[in-house]
Amino acid sequence: AQSVTQPDIHITVSEGASLELRCNYSYGATPYLFWYVQSPGQGLQLLLKYFSGDTLVQGIKGFEAEFKRSQSSFNLRKPSVHWSDAAEYFCAVGKAAGNKLTFGGGTRVLVKP
Amino acid sequence: GAGVSQSPSNKVTEKGKDVELRCDPISGHTALYWYRQSLGQGLEFLIYFQGNSAPDKSGLPSDRFSAERTGGSVSTLTIQRTQQEDSAVYLCASSRRGGRSADTQYFGPGTRLTVL
Repeated sequence: AQSVTQPDIHITVSEGASLELRCNYSYGATPYLFWYVQSPGQGLQLLLKYFSGDTLVQGIKGFEAEFKRSQSSFNLRKPSVHWSDAAEYFCAVGKAAGNKLTFGGGTRVLVKP
Repeated sequence: GAGVSQSPSNKVTEKGKDVELRCDPISGHTALYWYRQSLGQGLEFLIYFQGNSAPDKSGLPSDRFSAERTGGSVSTLTIQRTQQEDSAVYLCASSRRGGRSADTQYFGPGTRLTVL
């Protein structure tokens, strides 16, 4: 069975500092990997996704993620955080068949001024 | 264009009552998904519809939960004899295709269900 682990429940970062959110997955084949963001009271918005090819993926809002097969990881990064990045971030893995997503527990990001 | 819409946005019900939650997917999207977001269980897959194929119901937690999709568009999630543990935010998503395409899933704002 596929699973996703986000080790950090909360992260606090200063505005302008860099951010890295960790994601580890367990899946028996080449995974389809996603990062979603959920702002308070809003639905999930896709930041980026990886299916194949270049292991460094660029997304919206200045985010990027790197797929590392050897470490079963898909960590999300942003070089300089803005106050508007305060939200909860979810990593997810999808199967090719049906594409139902399995989500990690989420990481809540707080941004200090 | 319009995104995925869900109604109602909030629903408060009494234990034992039945509830219906509605999802309008993005026009032209053939795949539709229901997920549940709760404090104890996080985000969980419930059910998936793809075109005219039989739905994947593997995530439904009990036989009190059912869903249908009429005309390949609107979907209704029904919870019978609601229990307090059903309290959660129910999220609907749609994608242009399902199956092997791994198309992006676009999520609606959710319905917050509270069972008293």
